[in-house]
Amino acid sequence: RKEVEQDPGPFNVPEGATVAFNCTYSNSASQSFFWYRQDCRKEPKLLMSVYSSGNEDGRFTAQLNRASQYISLLIRDSKLSDSATYLCVGRSSNTGKLIFGQGTTLQVKP
Amino acid sequence: GAGVSQSPSNKVTEKGKDVELRCDPISGHTALYWYRQSLGQGLEFLIYFQGNSAPDKSGLPSDRFSAERTGGSVSTLTIQRTQQEDSAVYLCASSFAVAGGPGELFFGEGSRLTVL
Repeated sequence: RKEVEQDPGPFNVPEGATVAFNCTYSNSASQSFFWYRQDCRKEPKLLMSVYSSGNEDGRFTAQLNRASQYISLLIRDSKLSDSATYLCVGRSSNTGKLIFGQGTTLQVKP
Repeated sequence: GAGVSQSPSNKVTEKGKDVELRCDPISGHTALYWYRQSLGQGLEFLIYFQGNSAPDKSGLPSDRFSAERTGGSVSTLTIQRTQQEDSAVYLCASSFAVAGGPGELFFGEGSRLTVL
């Protein structure tokens, strides 16, 4: 089993839709969690950290479920500019290394 | 500049040649990572440095790949006897982070390697 696993998609949604991505993780990648965003042919950039209590940043909400070992990203009122690949990231509890999932591709259409 | 700098940005080489890719992390960043990404694929972890030591080299695909970091700063990824399957974008990233620290990795723009 991969340490951090995501559904690659693509998710095709209309503008204004709400979309959610899940990501599962193994025990070795469970210290802390993050969501990164990668635009086509660009480098990844941090979108938001994921806190145990859940956290929100504008239209984006991240949640952590330790019992089921998954994290989620919810995007409300999707914009065309949200089209990108969203990377789920876990930190190794042994080495501190950041472990990236394969990414979930989102396409928001007019 | 203040960001992570990688060179060369593009490299075309012939099969069997050696290549060196360089990464200049953000000043003061202790953690440095190398990843590679093929077109349309996810990030493939290669190696992770904390200071000059590499606690995790598990991602290096074969013994043709090696990396070093000197002075806790610049890192070089070397690929010997390149093969066509080595063609990819090689991304370097750095962070202040140690275990338990913040998770923001700052990525360079990558070195695009094409092996003919």
